[in-house]
Amino acid sequence: GAGVSQSPSNKVTEKGKDVELRCDPISGHTALYWYRQRLGQGLEFLIYFQGNSAPDKSGLPSDRFSAERTGESVSTLTIQRTQQEDSAVYLCASPPSGGVSGANVLTFGAGSRLTVL
Amino acid sequence: AQSVTQPDIHITVSEGASLELRCNYSYGATPYLFWYVQSPGQGLQLLLKYFSGDTLVQGIKGFEAEFKRSQSSFNLRKPSVHWSDAAEYFCAVGAGSSASKIIFGSGTRLSIRP
Repeated sequence: GAGVSQSPSNKVTEKGKDVELRCDPISGHTALYWYRQRLGQGLEFLIYFQGNSAPDKSGLPSDRFSAERTGESVSTLTIQRTQQEDSAVYLCASPPSGGVSGANVLTFGAGSRLTVL
Repeated sequence: AQSVTQPDIHITVSEGASLELRCNYSYGATPYLFWYVQSPGQGLQLLLKYFSGDTLVQGIKGFEAEFKRSQSSFNLRKPSVHWSDAAEYFCAVGAGSSASKIIFGSGTRLSIRP
């Protein structure tokens, strides 16, 4: 597609439930990032996928968080047993092939706003 | 691992005044550096980036930033701000091959005084 698409745009869930957030990157972009932005805060790196390489999961805050990506397609971020502190906007971003260099920059989706009651 | 510090949480300047937003980074090699802007209710937009070459980079909307290796800084500047510049500004640093891991600062909120 022309841009990075994320769904759902808004999700309200009860504490303890599992949620799945989806990211459709720009077609042909091999890399994909997930970030979390809590209200009034900066962007917190969660995970990075690059092609078929092992993902960089160093930013995932706990084992309740996981993400998958098959090839260069859709990615899913799963949060199990959600807690109130998980409430945030979850942003997906992708640079063109070859990563961020030269004219290539991160293109962000509009985000998925998660509210845990 | 790389890190980014934006020491100013909130800055207020008068319309027409000059602006400088501070950004300090920590990384052992030459970093990739970025400034992004997030307007209320909007997504993140790239203002400018530094990869190599001229240490003074020009961006969109009249912004510029200067990479100073000796100070590990990449401060954002604008000679005359407009009310529409009110937003959240994020500095980011990328490291490794093709800046494979991009870390963002905590942001500086800019308010414009009429």
